[in-house]
Amino acid sequence: QQQVKQSPQSLIVQKGGIPIINCAYENTAFDYFPWYQQFPGKGPALLIAIRPDVSEKKEGRFTISFNKSAKQFSLHIMDSQPGDSATYFCAASSGAGSYQLTFGKGTKLSVIP
Amino acid sequence: DTEVTQTPKHLVMGMTNKKSLKCEQHMGHRAMYWYKQKAKKPPELMFVYSYEKLSINESVPSRFSPECPNSSLLNLHLHALQPEDSALYLCASSKEANYGYTFGSGTRLTVV
Repeated sequence: QQQVKQSPQSLIVQKGGIPIINCAYENTAFDYFPWYQQFPGKGPALLIAIRPDVSEKKEGRFTISFNKSAKQFSLHIMDSQPGDSATYFCAASSGAGSYQLTFGKGTKLSVIP
Repeated sequence: DTEVTQTPKHLVMGMTNKKSLKCEQHMGHRAMYWYKQKAKKPPELMFVYSYEKLSINESVPSRFSPECPNSSLLNLHLHALQPEDSALYLCASSKEANYGYTFGSGTRLTVV
């Protein structure tokens, strides 16, 4: 079964710190890697996404780093704020015509003041 | 309009009830999805509609019945559910396959 392995399961950082969440995949057909942010009682919201033709993508305080050879990608949150406290999911999908997102198990991030 | 709207936000139903969840988007997306999410777990795909046709059914029990009346609307009909079906039901849409999903806020379903 296609899998995306996400770590850590939970993460606590001080305000201003840089939490890093890592994901690894096995299916080399994956070619779209989004990150979702979910607050309690809400649906996941697309945060940032990357395709394997680039090694890094930055949007505001959020950066994805992508290592195609290692089949790993990670999310970095610069200058983290208490409002960033949420659950973060990485995901992957493969190829045109594929509607299926494979999600990681999620990381609960707590940013303490 | 960049939203996926789901109604109701909360639903409590008995095991013999019939109810429906509704989802609407006006972004011109041609793929729409139903996901189920249990607490502290990632969303699990249930159904995919592409161009108003059911393209994926992830072996979901027949007590869940999806319907796509038009390109903007998606329903999930519920009948004879079990308490273990209690979860957050999420609707999503995407412009095309393998592209950014937009999720709704979900319906919190409790089966009693």
